[in-house]
Amino acid sequence: KNEVEQSPQNLTAQEGEFITINCSYSVGISALHWLQQHPGGGIVSLFMLSSGKKKHGRLIATINIQEKHSSLHITASHPRDSAVYICAVRYQKLVFGQGTRLTINP
Amino acid sequence: ETGVTQSPTHLIKTRGQQVTLRCSSQSGHNTVSWYQQALGQGPQFIFQYYREEENGRGNFPPRFSGLQFPNYSSELNVNALELDDSALYLCASSPGQGELGYTFGSGTRLTVV
Repeated sequence: KNEVEQSPQNLTAQEGEFITINCSYSVGISALHWLQQHPGGGIVSLFMLSSGKKKHGRLIATINIQEKHSSLHITASHPRDSAVYICAVRYQKLVFGQGTRLTINP
Repeated sequence: ETGVTQSPTHLIKTRGQQVTLRCSSQSGHNTVSWYQQALGQGPQFIFQYYREEENGRGNFPPRFSGLQFPNYSSELNVNALELDDSALYLCASSPGQGELGYTFGSGTRLTVV
Protein backbone atom coordinates (compact mmCIF):
# COMPACT_ATOMS: atom_id res chain seq x y z
CA LYS A 1 0.00 0.00 0.00
CA ASN A 2 1.33 3.43 -0.97
CA GLU A 3 1.88 5.92 1.81
CA VAL A 4 -0.09 8.52 -0.17
CA GLU A 5 -3.23 7.54 -2.08
CA GLN A 6 -5.16 9.85 -4.37
CA SER A 7 -8.59 9.45 -5.86
CA PRO A 8 -9.79 9.48 -8.48
CA GLN A 9 -6.84 8.66 -10.75
CA ASN A 10 -8.62 10.23 -13.72
CA LEU A 11 -11.45 12.74 -13.77
CA THR A 12 -13.25 14.25 -16.75
CA ALA A 13 -15.82 16.98 -16.22
CA GLN A 14 -17.63 19.74 -18.06
CA GLU A 15 -16.66 23.37 -17.77
CA GLY A 16 -18.28 24.96 -14.73
CA GLU A 17 -18.49 21.82 -12.63
CA PHE A 18 -17.30 21.65 -9.02
CA ILE A 19 -14.28 19.36 -8.76
CA THR A 20 -13.02 17.42 -5.74
CA ILE A 21 -9.77 15.45 -5.60
CA ASN A 22 -9.01 13.42 -2.48
CA CYS A 23 -5.76 12.46 -0.80
CA SER A 24 -5.26 10.01 2.07
CA TYR A 25 -1.96 9.28 3.78
CA SER A 26 -0.79 6.78 6.35
CA VAL A 27 2.13 8.49 8.12
CA GLY A 28 2.53 11.38 10.53
CA ILE A 29 3.36 14.48 8.56
CA SER A 30 4.54 18.03 9.12
CA ALA A 31 2.81 19.42 6.02
CA LEU A 32 0.82 18.44 2.96
CA HIS A 33 1.29 19.96 -0.47
CA TRP A 34 -1.01 20.18 -3.44
CA LEU A 35 0.86 20.52 -6.71
CA GLN A 36 -0.18 21.06 -10.32
CA GLN A 37 1.73 19.48 -13.20
CA HIS A 38 1.13 20.48 -16.81
CA PRO A 39 1.97 18.29 -19.83
CA GLY A 40 5.44 19.85 -20.18
CA GLY A 41 6.35 18.38 -16.81
CA GLY A 42 6.94 21.47 -14.70
CA ILE A 43 5.34 21.45 -11.25
CA VAL A 44 3.67 24.45 -9.62
CA SER A 45 3.04 24.48 -5.90
CA LEU A 46 -0.60 25.35 -5.18
CA PHE A 47 -0.90 24.96 -1.42
CA MET A 48 1.06 23.91 1.62
CA LEU A 49 -1.18 22.93 4.54
CA SER A 50 -0.62 21.73 8.05
CA SER A 51 -4.16 22.31 9.33
CA GLY A 52 -7.54 23.69 8.38
CA LYS A 53 -8.30 25.21 5.02
CA LYS A 54 -6.70 27.50 2.46
CA LYS A 55 -8.24 29.30 -0.51
CA HIS A 56 -6.66 30.86 -3.56
CA GLY A 57 -8.97 32.11 -6.25
CA ARG A 58 -11.15 29.19 -7.36
CA LEU A 59 -9.02 26.64 -5.53
CA ILE A 60 -9.71 25.45 -1.99
CA ALA A 61 -7.65 22.93 -0.03
CA THR A 62 -8.64 21.33 3.25
CA ILE A 63 -6.90 18.93 5.58
CA ASN A 64 -8.10 16.77 8.47
CA ILE A 65 -5.02 15.76 10.45
CA GLN A 66 -6.90 13.29 12.68
CA GLU A 67 -8.33 11.44 9.67
CA LYS A 68 -5.12 11.80 7.60
CA HIS A 69 -7.12 13.15 4.68
CA SER A 70 -7.01 16.20 2.43
CA SER A 71 -9.17 17.45 -0.41
CA LEU A 72 -8.54 19.87 -3.25
CA HIS A 73 -11.63 21.58 -4.64
CA ILE A 74 -11.96 23.62 -7.83
CA THR A 75 -15.03 25.80 -8.20
CA ALA A 76 -16.37 26.89 -11.61
CA SER A 77 -13.87 24.65 -13.40
CA HIS A 78 -12.38 25.80 -16.69
CA PRO A 79 -10.52 23.96 -19.49
CA ARG A 80 -7.30 25.69 -18.41
CA ASP A 81 -7.56 23.77 -15.12
CA SER A 82 -6.81 20.59 -17.07
CA ALA A 83 -3.60 19.17 -15.59
CA VAL A 84 -2.32 16.48 -13.24
CA TYR A 85 -2.88 17.34 -9.58
CA ILE A 86 -0.49 15.74 -7.14
CA CYS A 87 -0.72 15.45 -3.38
CA ALA A 88 2.58 15.21 -1.49
CA VAL A 89 3.21 14.84 2.24
CA ARG A 90 6.30 15.94 4.08
CA TYR A 91 7.93 13.92 6.85
CA GLN A 92 11.71 14.22 6.58
CA LYS A 93 11.23 14.12 2.79
CA LEU A 94 8.42 14.60 0.28
CA VAL A 95 6.32 11.54 -0.54
CA PHE A 96 4.03 11.92 -3.52
CA GLY A 97 0.75 10.42 -4.59
CA GLN A 98 0.38 9.09 -8.11
CA GLY A 99 -1.56 12.13 -9.25
CA THR A 100 -5.06 12.78 -10.55
CA ARG A 101 -5.36 13.57 -14.25
CA LEU A 102 -8.10 16.21 -14.59
CA THR A 103 -9.65 17.05 -17.96
CA ILE A 104 -12.20 19.85 -18.20
CA ASN A 105 -14.15 19.89 -21.45
CA PRO A 106 -15.66 23.13 -22.81
CA GLU B 1 13.70 36.69 -8.74
CA THR B 2 14.40 33.72 -10.99
CA GLY B 3 12.85 30.35 -10.31
CA VAL B 4 14.47 26.93 -10.48
CA THR B 5 16.21 26.20 -13.77
CA GLN B 6 17.09 22.72 -14.97
CA SER B 7 19.28 21.73 -17.88
CA PRO B 8 19.15 20.14 -20.30
CA THR B 9 15.40 19.89 -20.93
CA HIS B 10 15.69 16.66 -22.90
CA LEU B 11 18.44 14.09 -23.21
CA ILE B 12 18.90 10.75 -24.93
CA LYS B 13 21.60 8.39 -23.66
CA THR B 14 22.64 4.82 -24.38
CA ARG B 15 22.48 2.07 -21.77
CA GLY B 16 25.73 1.92 -19.77
CA GLN B 17 26.58 5.60 -20.28
CA GLN B 18 26.80 8.24 -17.59
CA VAL B 19 24.72 11.42 -17.37
CA THR B 20 24.88 14.69 -15.44
CA LEU B 21 21.78 16.81 -14.89
CA ARG B 22 21.97 20.35 -13.54
CA CYS B 23 19.76 22.50 -11.37
CA SER B 24 20.05 26.17 -10.45
CA SER B 25 18.16 26.88 -7.26
CA GLN B 26 15.97 29.89 -6.68
CA SER B 27 17.77 32.89 -5.25
CA GLY B 28 17.96 32.66 -1.44
CA HIS B 29 17.29 28.91 -1.34
CA ASN B 30 19.97 26.72 0.26
CA THR B 31 18.33 23.29 -0.10
CA VAL B 32 17.94 21.30 -3.28
CA SER B 33 16.13 17.99 -3.65
CA TRP B 34 15.92 15.67 -6.64
CA TYR B 35 13.07 13.44 -7.75
CA GLN B 36 12.55 10.79 -10.43
CA GLN B 37 9.15 10.60 -12.09
CA ALA B 38 8.44 7.61 -14.30
CA LEU B 39 5.68 7.91 -16.88
CA GLY B 40 2.25 7.90 -15.26
CA GLN B 41 3.65 7.82 -11.73
CA GLY B 42 4.19 10.34 -8.98
CA PRO B 43 7.72 11.63 -8.34
CA GLN B 44 10.03 9.57 -6.11
CA PHE B 45 12.54 11.21 -3.78
CA ILE B 46 16.17 10.57 -4.77
CA PHE B 47 18.13 12.75 -2.35
CA GLN B 48 18.41 16.20 -0.80
CA TYR B 49 21.34 18.56 -0.29
CA TYR B 50 21.48 21.25 2.37
CA ARG B 51 24.42 23.66 2.36
CA GLU B 52 26.51 21.31 0.21
CA GLU B 53 25.91 18.19 2.33
CA GLU B 54 23.60 15.31 1.47
CA ASN B 55 21.04 15.17 4.30
CA GLY B 56 18.49 12.69 3.05
CA ARG B 57 18.34 9.87 0.52
CA GLY B 58 15.58 7.78 -0.95
CA ASN B 59 15.67 4.18 -2.10
CA PHE B 60 18.04 4.65 -5.04
CA PRO B 61 21.30 2.75 -5.72
CA PRO B 62 24.74 4.36 -5.26
CA ARG B 63 25.08 4.93 -9.00
CA PHE B 64 22.78 7.89 -8.38
CA SER B 65 24.97 10.57 -6.84
CA GLY B 66 24.91 14.30 -6.49
CA LEU B 67 26.67 17.49 -5.58
CA GLN B 68 25.70 20.88 -4.30
CA PHE B 69 27.95 23.85 -4.99
CA PRO B 70 28.66 26.92 -2.82
CA ASN B 71 26.10 28.91 -4.84
CA TYR B 72 23.57 26.15 -3.95
CA SER B 73 23.18 24.93 -7.52
CA SER B 74 23.25 21.16 -7.81
CA GLU B 75 24.07 18.24 -10.08
CA LEU B 76 22.57 14.78 -10.29
CA ASN B 77 24.88 12.13 -11.75
CA VAL B 78 23.74 8.71 -12.86
CA ASN B 79 26.33 6.08 -13.80
CA ALA B 80 25.84 2.87 -15.76
CA LEU B 81 22.48 3.96 -17.14
CA GLU B 82 19.73 1.37 -17.36
CA LEU B 83 16.61 1.42 -19.51
CA ASP B 84 14.48 1.87 -16.37
CA ASP B 85 16.28 5.14 -15.63
CA SER B 86 14.22 6.72 -18.41
CA ALA B 87 12.09 9.29 -16.60
CA LEU B 88 11.49 12.94 -15.88
CA TYR B 89 14.01 14.19 -13.31
CA LEU B 90 12.75 17.07 -11.22
CA CYS B 91 14.69 19.39 -8.99
CA ALA B 92 13.17 21.53 -6.23
CA SER B 93 14.74 24.18 -4.07
CA SER B 94 13.63 25.52 -0.70
CA PRO B 95 14.77 28.27 1.65
CA GLY B 96 14.90 25.96 4.67
CA GLN B 97 14.78 22.19 4.56
CA GLY B 98 11.29 22.07 3.11
CA GLU B 99 9.34 23.49 6.04
CA LEU B 100 8.78 26.71 4.08
CA GLY B 101 7.71 25.00 0.86
CA TYR B 102 9.36 24.08 -2.39
CA THR B 103 9.89 25.64 -5.82
CA PHE B 104 10.11 23.08 -8.61
CA GLY B 105 11.92 23.21 -11.92
CA SER B 106 10.46 22.09 -15.23
CA GLY B 107 12.46 18.89 -15.24
CA THR B 108 14.87 17.04 -17.50
CA ARG B 109 13.37 14.26 -19.57
CA LEU B 110 15.95 11.47 -19.86
CA THR B 111 15.51 8.66 -22.36
CA VAL B 112 17.84 5.68 -22.15
CA VAL B 113 17.96 3.51 -25.28
